[in-house]
Amino acid sequence: GDSVTQMEGPVTLSEEAFLTINCTYTATGYPSLFWYVQYPGEGLQLLLKATKADDKGSNKGFEATYRKETTSFHLEKGSVQVSDSAVYFCALHTGGFKTIFGAGTRLFVKA
Amino acid sequence: DAGVIQSPRHEVTEMGQEVTLRCKPISGHDYLFWYRQTMMRGLELLIYFNNNVPIDDSGMPEDRFSAKMPNASFSTLKIQPSEPRDSAVYFCASRSPGTTGELFFGEGSRLTVL
Repeated sequence: GDSVTQMEGPVTLSEEAFLTINCTYTATGYPSLFWYVQYPGEGLQLLLKATKADDKGSNKGFEATYRKETTSFHLEKGSVQVSDSAVYFCALHTGGFKTIFGAGTRLFVKA
Repeated sequence: DAGVIQSPRHEVTEMGQEVTLRCKPISGHDYLFWYRQTMMRGLELLIYFNNNVPIDDSGMPEDRFSAKMPNASFSTLKIQPSEPRDSAVYFCASRSPGTTGELFFGEGSRLTVL
């Protein structure tokens, strides 16, 4: 069945460091791919998305490129801030009823 | 625009009591999902509805859990009787028709069963 695997956390970085959170997927068909972010005490919210191969989603300095050949959708940011501390979820949707989420990766950014 | 609205935000109850969580999806969204989040098990899909009809409740952990969607603007998740292991954050999410699958989440209901 469809699945999403993302790197385990927590990830701890200093402010202004470069961030990569790895995400790979298994899916039949051609899924849309998403990154959601969950700040403390809040629900998940969409950070960025890509709907077809080679698309790049971007938002708030974060980027991820849909790589069909490696079935990956890694999240990157060039310079993290303390305010980026949150849990990040990779997810896919294949047009069926359900969205498949990864386990989440907790990011801590130190000042 | 109002997002997905959940109530209560926090609920503390004693084991054996009935708990009802409520959700108002975004107007016009035809899919509604109930999730549970815990440290141990992460984010779990409990049940989802399409046009108010339950489609898949295979994630509902036990018969103690039930969910209804009497109309397009309201859904409930009920636990009766509640147990300490039901302590979690319960999220409701909705989705617009004809989209690429983006979900809109509420802020969650944090349930503590003593």
